[in-house]
Amino acid sequence: DNQMTQSPSSVSASVGDRVTITCRASQDVTRWLAWYQQKPGKAPKLLIYAVSNLPSGVPSRFSGSGSGTHFTLTIDNLQSEDFATYYCQQADTFPFTFGPGTKVDIK
Amino acid sequence: EVQLVESGGGLVQPGGSLRLSCAASGFTFSDHYMDWVRQAPGKGLEWIGRSRNAADRYTTEHAASVRGRFTVSRDASKNSVSLHMNSLRTDDTAVYYCVRDAGSYWGQGTLVTVSS
Repeated sequence: DNQMTQSPSSVSASVGDRVTITCRASQDVTRWLAWYQQKPGKAPKLLIYAVSNLPSGVPSRFSGSGSGTHFTLTIDNLQSEDFATYYCQQADTFPFTFGPGTKVDIK
Repeated sequence: EVQLVESGGGLVQPGGSLRLSCAASGFTFSDHYMDWVRQAPGKGLEWIGRSRNAADRYTTEHAASVRGRFTVSRDASKNSVSLHMNSLRTDDTAVYYCVRDAGSYWGQGTLVTVSS
């Protein structure tokens, strides 16, 4: 299986900060890398697909980059509604696998 | 508007069976892959299975952790996808999500609790 890791596991930040989350895969995922945001008691929401593409409605303060096995999610100008847990996922090979998550909470 | 609505969750004893359903609307169901993803209480996300689209003849994939016990199936006439779960174990306790195309849209989830 393609193992996904994320760092940090948690980060404390303030409104207006820039937050960067790293995701690493044990094998090349080509461009099939997505990021999700999940708030307590809610289903995950797609934030970024194919490494760097934002679905309609996702604010432009979210951005993704990377290639191969190393990817990043950046949140610029952190807003109060961004405090949540973030997961990366590879959908290149079965079984699709998720990172363990990064919790972004209020400093 | 894309909608995915899961049903069928509940409390079941170890070794028991349960069938989850996901009713889809707001898009051409036959064009899209449908996945099941689960999340144990306080834990991360685990992909467990897929039904491919009509062009790929609705073929399926399953995670090793559930292969032989769980089966994903699709009823195209009802725009629904199901997860048939047998030989349930306590570690299958989770919220089960119906997902379109690996993650573009998610249902609200249905809780399955396996306990005696």
